[in-house]
Amino acid sequence: DGGITQSPKYLFRKEGQNVTLSCEQNLNHDAMYWYRQDPGQGLRLIYYSQIVNDFQKGDIAEGYSVSREKKESFPLTVTSAQKNPTAFYLCASIGTESSGNTIYFGEGSWLTVV
Amino acid sequence: DAKTTQPTSMDCAEGRAANLPCNHSTISGNEYVYWYRQIHSQGPQYIIHGLKNNETNEMASLIITEDRKSSTLILPHATLRDTAVYYCIVRALYNFNKFYFGSGTKLNVKP
Repeated sequence: DGGITQSPKYLFRKEGQNVTLSCEQNLNHDAMYWYRQDPGQGLRLIYYSQIVNDFQKGDIAEGYSVSREKKESFPLTVTSAQKNPTAFYLCASIGTESSGNTIYFGEGSWLTVV
Repeated sequence: DAKTTQPTSMDCAEGRAANLPCNHSTISGNEYVYWYRQIHSQGPQYIIHGLKNNETNEMASLIITEDRKSSTLILPHATLRDTAVYYCIVRALYNFNKFYFGSGTKLNVKP
């Protein structure tokens, strides 16, 4: 089935370490997004990419980095510069399809700093 | 994209209709209204979207006012599994720019 796969589901990071969250989609979508969600809060945009080899900062990009070398992949690296990385991370994509520009989300990844 | 305003939380009795309002007074003519819901610790799930006509699918109905400044998502027979945060967002079709989810409405379906 088509969809977005995020991995790992749960990840623990030691302070000072960089970690990378994977996001893969087989929907042939051009645009992909990363959001952060803190407990009881809404979604905040970290980075987004409208096309391969191009990406833009969202509202909370500091301490994060991304790459978009392939259409189907948009990994997010949480660097040691991100001082409070413990959160739920969601990847999403949008494509030009007859369903009307529906946004698809992955199941999310929980990151905890230990 | 236009901003939306939703109540923070709502309660609904199981089996009754749940009516979730959303205000989007600055909506533009080419912007659609989308509804998503998020069950705890899962990715948001698409429910329905519309431009100006009322829409219905197997999950819900969407009622958009004639002036398009507000809308209501209707879950006709709410179940306990419908307990979730419901997000209303407004965006233009094929707009791949950044988009925002607000805090949404926490719907509590009670037995």
